[in-house]
Amino acid sequence: KNQVEQSPQSLIILEGKNCTLQCNYTVSPFSNLRWYKQDTGRGPVSLTIMTFSENTKSNGRYTATLDADTKQSSLHITASQLSDSASYICVVKDRGSTLGRLYFGRGTQLTVWP
Amino acid sequence: EADIYQTPRYLVIGTGKKITLECSQTMGHDKMYWYQQDPGMELHLIHYSYGVNSTEKGDLSSESTVSRIRTEHFPLTLESARPSHTSQYLCASTGQGANEQYFGPGTRLTVT
Repeated sequence: KNQVEQSPQSLIILEGKNCTLQCNYTVSPFSNLRWYKQDTGRGPVSLTIMTFSENTKSNGRYTATLDADTKQSSLHITASQLSDSASYICVVKDRGSTLGRLYFGRGTQLTVWP
Repeated sequence: EADIYQTPRYLVIGTGKKITLECSQTMGHDKMYWYQQDPGMELHLIHYSYGVNSTEKGDLSSESTVSRIRTEHFPLTLESARPSHTSQYLCASTGQGANEQYFGPGTRLTVT
């Protein structure tokens, strides 16, 4: 069964600190893995997309890693800001369907305190 | 920033009413999607479309229906709203051969 599991479910950190969010998946065949940021009451916004051959990708203070062998990914946030408070969703695309089906994790709810 | 729009953003409506949630995109994307998301839960695909006059049901069973008469519009309709339909509904689109899926801001529906 294709699944995407994220941990922790929620996380509270102080402004300026770093944090790392985890994602494990069982989706096969694998096409790509995305990390989205979803502010409360808004739609998800893409942070990074990684294919099988990529093991790290950065977008400003966000750095995603991918280990396709162990089917694990992480999102590292550096020097957190209050505006980083959001849900971070790991999404894996299935290469086996013409639709390009996406499998979503439940997200990690990050809260950054001043 | 993605050019995909949803209206209304918030809707509170009584049981039994018919509602239509609007979704439009100006990117010329062929594929469009509707997802349902409850608080703290993952997004579930309820409808998708490959293009004009193409609509399919997604993974999660839904009493809603969709239509795709024009490339840019993908409205979702509930003929008779019930409290169990209370949720957030997200529309998304993808261009031909593209990896990126762009999401609209969502419609928060509450049925009383």
